[in-house]
Amino acid sequence: GNSVTQMEGPVTLSEEAFLTINCTYTATGYPSLFWYVQYPGEGLQLLLKATKADDKGSNKGFEATYRKETTSFHLEKGSVQVSDSAVYFCALRDTGNQFYFGTGTSLTVIP
Amino acid sequence: DGGITQSPKYLFRKEGQNVTLSCEQNLNHDAMYWYRQDPGQGLRLIYYSQIVNDFQKGDIAEGYSVSREKKESFPLTVTSAQKNPTAFYLCASSIGGTRYEQYFGPGTRLTVT
Repeated sequence: GNSVTQMEGPVTLSEEAFLTINCTYTATGYPSLFWYVQYPGEGLQLLLKATKADDKGSNKGFEATYRKETTSFHLEKGSVQVSDSAVYFCALRDTGNQFYFGTGTSLTVIP
Repeated sequence: DGGITQSPKYLFRKEGQNVTLSCEQNLNHDAMYWYRQDPGQGLRLIYYSQIVNDFQKGDIAEGYSVSREKKESFPLTVTSAQKNPTAFYLCASSIGGTRYEQYFGPGTRLTVT
């Protein structure tokens, strides 16, 4: 079946460090891929998305590229800030309109 | 502003009582979803509805019930049959089509003692 696997956390980085959170997926057909962010006690917010192979989603300095050959959608940011501390979820929507989420990766950025 | 509202933000109940969580959206989305989130864990799908008057069980439907009488509303009832109801509950909605994301509400934290 379809699934999303993302790197285990927690991840702790110093401010201005480079961030990568790995995400790989299993799906038939051509799913859409998403990254969501969740701040403590809140719902999930869409961070970025890509709907076809080789698309790059970007928002607020975060980027992720839809790589069909490696079935990956890794999240990157060149220079993290304290305000980026949150939990990040990778997700896919398959051609049957079902959503699948990774288990989330907690990021803490220290000054 | 369009969005999803969930109320209340915090809910406290005694064991053995049923409780209903509200979810309303004004985005004109056809599909609505309920997820449960436990501390440090991901999302687990409870129920979803693709259209009014129709809904499907998700992965952990036991002990929960829903209704979808109106497009904008998808209330979740946590029944006394749910063994461990204390959790953070998230409602979401989406439009049809693979390209589109889910929109999430702010969540309701339910504590049952």
